Amino acid sequence: DAKTTQPPSMDCAEGRAANLPCNHSTISGNEYVYWYRQIHSQGPQYIIHGLKNNETNEMASLIITEDRKSSTLILPHATLRDTAVYYCIVRVAGFQKLVFGTGTRLLVSP
Amino acid sequence: DADVTQTPRNRITKTGKRIMLECSQTKGHDRMYWYRQDPGLGLRLIYYSFDVKDINKGEISDGYSVSRQAQAKFSLSLESAIPNQTALYFCATSDTGTLSQETQYFGPGTRLLVL
Repeated sequence: DAKTTQPPSMDCAEGRAANLPCNHSTISGNEYVYWYRQIHSQGPQYIIHGLKNNETNEMASLIITEDRKSSTLILPHATLRDTAVYYCIVRVAGFQKLVFGTGTRLLVSP
Repeated sequence: DADVTQTPRNRITKTGKRIMLECSQTKGHDRMYWYRQDPGLGLRLIYYSFDVKDINKGEISDGYSVSRQAQAKFSLSLESAIPNQTALYFCATSDTGTLSQETQYFGPGTRLLVL
């Protein structure tokens, strides 16, 4: 699985969009980009995933660059409950292991 | 009711003791996983099982063993606990389903302290 690089921490004001970057310059053509988050020692929670097209669901949007070497997770209107560690993971579909790095600690403030 | 449950939620034990952490799921998933998390670090995979007859080692299996008693149950054992096994342990499940849609669902975690 390709390695990912994320900033260790980010801040965001409540109600504003939170844009969390992830670099995966060694990603292979058959690897997907997944995002999970972990709220204060709870079990990680799946957010979204994509291959090459941008994706959106009720939680977030995922923007993947055309060369697929980086991506951005967007929380359109961050709330205090979005304060968490966000993990960007790349993996091959069908190969079920998830390799977690250290993630980005997002702090949403009033 | 939670789909993935872990027992106990907290455990304190002494060096050399054998302990078992249990995981149960009601999601009907075939695949189950055990991870550990150390403070300030990401999760690391200990063992995983793709069905009842399948057991695989993860990144850090030394000092651990597992048992898949049924589709819904996956237990993690520390045969002789040592202090550096103090950590937060998570169980997770996933469905075979559509391969690209695979999502892992995590339990609430077990906080283990080895004295």
